[in-house]
Amino acid sequence: LAKTTQPISMDSYEGQEVNITCSHNNIATNDYITWYQQFPSQGPRFIIQGYKTKVTNEVASLFIPADRKSSTLSLPRVSLSDTAVYYCLVGDTAGAGSYQLTFGKGTKLSVIP
Amino acid sequence: NAGVTQTPKFQVLKTGQSMTLQCAQDMNHEYMSWYRQDPGMGLRLIHYSVGAGITDQGEVPNGYNVSRSTTEDFPLRLLSAAPSQTSVYFCASSPLGQGVGTDTQYFGPGTRLTVL
Repeated sequence: LAKTTQPISMDSYEGQEVNITCSHNNIATNDYITWYQQFPSQGPRFIIQGYKTKVTNEVASLFIPADRKSSTLSLPRVSLSDTAVYYCLVGDTAGAGSYQLTFGKGTKLSVIP
Repeated sequence: NAGVTQTPKFQVLKTGQSMTLQCAQDMNHEYMSWYRQDPGMGLRLIHYSVGAGITDQGEVPNGYNVSRSTTEDFPLRLLSAAPSQTSVYFCASSPLGQGVGTDTQYFGPGTRLTVL
């Protein structure tokens, strides 16, 4: 599985847009990029997933450039409730021989009033 | 649906004691896994299973045993607890649809274990 690199922490004021970038230089052709969110004392939960270009849902947007060596999670107009740890994962479809996911340390986002 | 449930929520053990952390899911998911999370660390995979009767080791399997006799249940056993096993333990499940790397993982609420 491709290794990912993300900033350890970020601070943002309420109402601002937050962009968290993840580097995955060794991403393979079949790999997808998935982001999870973890609130304190809870298990992670799925936010968004993409393969290329841009994906948007009710929670976030995911931007993936053409070379796919990085991706950016964008959270519009954050609120205090968005304070959490965000994990970027890169993984592929079945048949690749590995059933192990690597979450890494994630990015701790702190939203300031 | 209850999703992924874990029991107990909190547990304190003495060094050398054994115990089993329970995990159950009601979504008929084939893939189940156990992670541990230490302060300032991400989640590290302990063991995983791709179906009943099939288990395999993850990144940090030493000191832990698992079995998968049914699709629903995936217990994690600590045979002889050590202080280094003090951690928060998360169980997760997912369907084996497109693949583990793309299928959404559903996590339980976690078990906070302290070993004295």
